Amino acid sequence: EPEVTQTPSHQVTQMGQEVILRCVPISNHLYFYWYRQILGQKVEFLVSFYNNEISEKSEIFDDQFSVERPDGSNFTLKIRSTKLEDSAMYFCASSTDREETQYFGPGTRLLVL
Amino acid sequence: GDSVTQMEGPVTLSEEAFLTINCTYTATGYPSLFWYVQYPGEGLQLLLKATKADDKGSNKGFEATYRKETTSFHLEKGSVQVSDSAVYFCALVYGGYQKVTFGIGTKLQVIP
Repeated sequence: EPEVTQTPSHQVTQMGQEVILRCVPISNHLYFYWYRQILGQKVEFLVSFYNNEISEKSEIFDDQFSVERPDGSNFTLKIRSTKLEDSAMYFCASSTDREETQYFGPGTRLLVL
Repeated sequence: GDSVTQMEGPVTLSEEAFLTINCTYTATGYPSLFWYVQYPGEGLQLLLKATKADDKGSNKGFEATYRKETTSFHLEKGSVQVSDSAVYFCALVYGGYQKVTFGIGTKLQVIP
C-alpha cells in the first residue's frame, strides 16, 4: 500500500541553524501538508500546498518557515533560523484532492538545543 | 474557532474489554469527522471517518457514529486486543477547507 515517507526520523540542531525536513508524498496525490505536534499538545496545521503554491497557512507558519516541491517527488519544509520552541514532531501529509482524506507520514522529531 | 475535545488518557484496559473513547467537537457548520490512530513508531493512520450526521464509520472492529445533536463522535470497540495499543486522535475538517483540526490524542494501553 502506498505511504507517505519522511526523512530524517530524528533531527537535533542548534538554535539559529536552518533545518530542512523532507517528505515523499503518495505518488498520485496533488495536495501536500505539514503539521506539527509540540510534546503534550495537539497536532496543529501549518500549511497546505497545491500546484506549486501555498493554498492555506496558519498563523504559526511565519516568515521563518517555507515549503517547496523541488522535484516531482519531494516536498520539503525549511525552518530558516530555528528556535527552542520549534522543537516538535513534524508530520507531512498528502491527499488526492482538497476535500479528500489526508494520509500522514511517520513524522520527524526535531529537537532544537 | 473549531475545536475537538477528547479524553487525554492514558486508558488502560485488559484484553477483550470494551473500549469507549469520547470525542466532542465545536464547529459552526457540519464538518467531516475522523479517527486517526498512531501505533508506536509509526505515522498517523486513518482509522475511520463519517461525513454527515448519523453516519457510522467502522474499521477493524472500531465504530463511531456522527451525532449532530450531541456534537460527538465517540470511538468504540467491543473487544480490544493488545495490538490495539496506540494513540487515538479524533479530528475534523470542513469541506472546502484543508486544515485538519485534531484533538489531543488518547493513549490506549491494552494488557494481556
